[in-house]
Amino acid sequence: AQSVTQLDSQVPVFEEAPVELRCNYSSSVSVYLFWYVQYPNQGLQLLLKYLSGSTLVKGINGFEAEFNKSQTSFHLRKPSVHISDTAEYFCAVSDFGGGSNYKLTFGKGTLLTVNP
Amino acid sequence: DAGITQSPRHKVTETGTPVTLRCHQTENHRYMYWYRQDPGHGLRLIHYSYGVKDTDKGEVSDGYSVSRSKTEDFLLTLESATSSQTSVYFCAIKDSNQPQHFGDGTRLSIL
Repeated sequence: AQSVTQLDSQVPVFEEAPVELRCNYSSSVSVYLFWYVQYPNQGLQLLLKYLSGSTLVKGINGFEAEFNKSQTSFHLRKPSVHISDTAEYFCAVSDFGGGSNYKLTFGKGTLLTVNP
Repeated sequence: DAGITQSPRHKVTETGTPVTLRCHQTENHRYMYWYRQDPGHGLRLIHYSYGVKDTDKGEVSDGYSVSRSKTEDFLLTLESATSSQTSVYFCAIKDSNQPQHFGDGTRLSIL
């Protein structure tokens, strides 16, 4: 069984400040990792994904994440946030390969609030 | 959202009534999923499908059933709705080489 822990339920920051949203996972097998973003009253949109290869992954809107296998972490970062980044962010994991039918396990979410 | 449509988008109903939510895709993707989203819980998998007539339970399947009689439609049914099933329901689709892609959600209130 897999689990995902997002260590902060809420992160308030000021505009143009850097931000890091933390995600740790546990799994007995190799995994794929994802970050999704949800703007108010909308569905989930993929920010970035780690499948294999380079451990530093770049996504949309200037976000990036680093996969750390030894720490079982996949933290999301942005060097300078904007008001428009205010949203809820979800970390998710799925088993490597199709045997699990690519089911996702989500963390509980981190609400990022960017203040002027 | 392009390629995936959930209906209805909003529904209010009473305890004990049956409710069916529909997820329709135009992408011909093999995999389809139903999640519910509740404050403090993130998204939790209810049921999923890996092909026509091939479905299986997820983490929170009690009180829900699903059907997939054709590739494009995945139906979620609450046989007798309860107030604990008040939630926002999301459908997702997936091709083997792509991440899951989500619909815009259905907000369901059970009074």
